[in-house]
Amino acid sequence: EAGVAQSPRYKIIEKRQSVAFWCNPISGHATLYWYQQILGQGPKLLIQFQNNGVVDDSQLPKDRFSAERLKGVDSTLKIQPAKLEDSAVYLCASSLGLAGGYEQYFGPGTRLTVT
Amino acid sequence: TQLLEQSPQFLSIQEGENLTVYCNSSSVFSSLQWYRQEPGEGPVLLVTVVTGGEVKKLKRLTFQFGDARKDSSLHITAAQPGDTGLYLCAGARDGNNRKLIWGLGTSLAVNP
Repeated sequence: EAGVAQSPRYKIIEKRQSVAFWCNPISGHATLYWYQQILGQGPKLLIQFQNNGVVDDSQLPKDRFSAERLKGVDSTLKIQPAKLEDSAVYLCASSLGLAGGYEQYFGPGTRLTVT
Repeated sequence: TQLLEQSPQFLSIQEGENLTVYCNSSSVFSSLQWYRQEPGEGPVLLVTVVTGGEVKKLKRLTFQFGDARKDSSLHITAAQPGDTGLYLCAGARDGNNRKLIWGLGTSLAVNP
């Protein structure tokens, strides 16, 4: 079974530029999560989708961050414009959703550096 | 407000030593999960504990869920360099839309 795929793995941009990350969850997983992780700390939930609907985006900085999961499968997370403090690893995770348990399966992440 | 407190935050030990990592909260969770994250990778689920007082063993790792389901511990016996990584606990609450509450993690380095 293929795991969660993310791209790119690394991205370096200048502040005020825009960037997009892509995630393809495990097949059949209804719930998709985007997390921001500062080096050495736990993940911070940015947005959670159930199929193509948003369940929780309370910690998403909506003035600069946006995310979509139009067909209920893969998802994109965009930052525009980027700030220095956005430097972090962006993790995508998926789970079975309401039909399953709480176990989440993570992709390898995208390491973003904003200079 | 950090709902799940992990301690210690950092731990550096020699190969062969034993260690315990703690995950504490004032809130009750329906289940609690432990993940390990290696550098450059996403977290990987190690175990889920559900019942108060439950003890689960995974080779040299022993996980315990507190009787009141507010805390958990991870004990590693005879640590090896391959155990190096960030250990994360995450708590679940029923009816919470499958959202996990994450601790800040314990960064473990096992030196050969």
